[in-house]
Amino acid sequence: SQQGEEDPQALSIQEGENATMNCSYKTSINNLQWYRQNSGRGLVHLILIRSNEREKHSGRLRVTLDTSKKSSSLLITASRAADTASYFCATSPGGGNKLTFGTGTQLKVEL
Amino acid sequence: NAGVTQTPKFQVLKTGQSMTLQCAQDMNHNSMYWYRQDPGMGLRLIYYSASEGTTDKGEVPNGYNVSRLNKREFSLRLESAAPSQTSVYFCASSGDGLAGGYNEQFFGPGTRLTVL
Repeated sequence: SQQGEEDPQALSIQEGENATMNCSYKTSINNLQWYRQNSGRGLVHLILIRSNEREKHSGRLRVTLDTSKKSSSLLITASRAADTASYFCATSPGGGNKLTFGTGTQLKVEL
Repeated sequence: NAGVTQTPKFQVLKTGQSMTLQCAQDMNHNSMYWYRQDPGMGLRLIYYSASEGTTDKGEVPNGYNVSRLNKREFSLRLESAAPSQTSVYFCASSGDGLAGGYNEQFFGPGTRLTVL
């Protein structure tokens, strides 16, 4: 079963616009991670936010976490064509290093 | 530093054939994982290994076996392949978290397996 579910499933925007993806999860977590997957490649870690954090920034990425709503959002500002990829949230509901991934948001940034 | 490497990159099997997917990491990580990725399903954990000599089942272990040969290598074996095992397989590794935290996972490039 999927712990996290991303919304929307697909998103198409113009270069320069901001992209927002949401993740909802079911059980309590210690942290939530976001990963990117370019077509035909493995996943790459983007950012980790701990349960006691509400917001975190990394370059053009901004992640928020609302543990009361069991949800997180990933904002990519000033999107570029190179940001075209699938984005996944991942949590560790049972503790430890195992992760459960959501089904992902496919982002397409058009020139 | 190669990170996580996987072989082969592509494989076509006939139903009932067996094969082993190889994975190696050079980051001195204790934990290693095998996932499968199917369209619209995200990644699902097949097996993982928290340290050399230990393995444990994930969400979808049926039809698979694993072997943690040493700290670097973690192999996935399909004893009798079935069409339902057609998928993209990813290996990943992670280090130990600090003060109870969890480290990011590093992924290999994947193996695309088709079972006819």
